[in-house]
Amino acid sequence: QVQLQESGPGLVQPSGTLSLTCAVSGDSISSDNWWTWVRQPPGKGLEWIGEIHHTGGTAFDPSLKSRLTLSIDKSKNQFSLNLTSVTAADTAVYYCATNYGVNRYFDCWGQGTLVTVSS
Amino acid sequence: QSALTQPASVSGSPGQAITISCTGSSRDVGGYNYVSWYQQHPGKAPKLMIYDVSHRPSGVSDRFSGSKSGNTASLTISGLQVEDEADYFCSSYKSNSPYVFGSGTKVTVL
Repeated sequence: QVQLQESGPGLVQPSGTLSLTCAVSGDSISSDNWWTWVRQPPGKGLEWIGEIHHTGGTAFDPSLKSRLTLSIDKSKNQFSLNLTSVTAADTAVYYCATNYGVNRYFDCWGQGTLVTVSS
Repeated sequence: QSALTQPASVSGSPGQAITISCTGSSRDVGGYNYVSWYQQHPGKAPKLMIYDVSHRPSGVSDRFSGSKSGNTASLTISGLQVEDEADYFCSSYKSNSPYVFGSGTKVTVL
């Protein structure tokens, strides 16, 4: 059973970069999974951010694409998100999640981490 | 990205059946049989309840069922129980994105 755990700063300055890491246990980051980020602004719905595969494949939400970088660290069995030029609108609980192979659903989620953009 | 449309709230008494709708377009819900549903209790991560329109993961109660007609998918909870009180989100595979979530529905057990 795959387990995911997000980590990173809980507070980011406006115009700064939001950086989060998701540690994967119970499976290899090099398995046939798409490693995904989803966020949820306070009191609002879920927003799909993007996904990455160990082969280098990526997909991004078009509205975030210009500010977003996703990466994989195979030596640490983890994947990461970098979101630049953040504003208060990027304040949210950020979840990492995964879907296996060609599955089009997310069957495993991290517990989530709240990131607040504020000075 | 534009979220799929869900009713803000649905309520029912214990034992009743309720249905939550999820309306999109031919570019998402109507174009693919890749609709999934997630249950989220306050402060918790989402949990997969239905995938590929109508399939239940192992361990999910058979009181939960899914269907789709045209551009609208539906989640039905039969025999409503107190522990079903939560937020529910639909999701669909979508051309160009490739995923979009619904706006969310708060289910209240009266």
